[in-house]
Amino acid sequence: RKEVEQDPGPFNVPEGATVAFNCTYSNSASQSFFWYRQDCRKEPKLLMSVYSSGNEDGRFTAQLNRASQYISLLIRDSKLSDSATYLCVVSRGFKTIFGAGTRLFVKA
Amino acid sequence: GAGVSQSPSNKVTEKGKDVELRCDPISGHTALYWYRQSLGQGLEFLIYFQGNSAPDKSGLPSDRFSAERTGGSVSTLTIQRTQQEDSAVYLCASSLVRLRRINEQFFGPGTRLTVL
Repeated sequence: RKEVEQDPGPFNVPEGATVAFNCTYSNSASQSFFWYRQDCRKEPKLLMSVYSSGNEDGRFTAQLNRASQYISLLIRDSKLSDSATYLCVVSRGFKTIFGAGTRLFVKA
Repeated sequence: GAGVSQSPSNKVTEKGKDVELRCDPISGHTALYWYRQSLGQGLEFLIYFQGNSAPDKSGLPSDRFSAERTGGSVSTLTIQRTQQEDSAVYLCASSLVRLRRINEQFFGPGTRLTVL
């Protein structure tokens, strides 16, 4: 079993839709949590950090449930420009593990 | 620009040759990572540096792979006797470390390695 698991998708949604991505991690000692975005043939870039209290950045909301070892990302009012691969990232100490990513296609 | 830079951007080599990939992290970032990404796949962790030392080499796929970092800055990933399965994009990232935790990792554009 992988330490960080994501639904690979792809998710195909129309513009304006709300889409949710889920991620689970297996090591309860994990300390820090992130969502990264990777466009086709580009390097990953930080989308947002994830906190237990939940956090929101515009149309994006991230949630962390430590008890269930579960992380989510919600995208509201999807835009064409949101089409990308979304990577769930977990770290503990100096070790960082990237999930394989969930692909999102937003269509007009 | 103050971002992470990598060179070369593309490298085509013949099977059995050695290659060196270079990473220049963001100035002041003490943590440096190497990953590789095969086409359509996720990121595979290779090695992590804190300063010049590598406390975690667990991801290096074989003894043909080695890496070093000097002066707490530039890092070189060396692949000896390259094989076709080494073909991938090699990504470098750097990060600050606060309170012994990793913060945001900033990635370079990667080196696309093709082994013929």
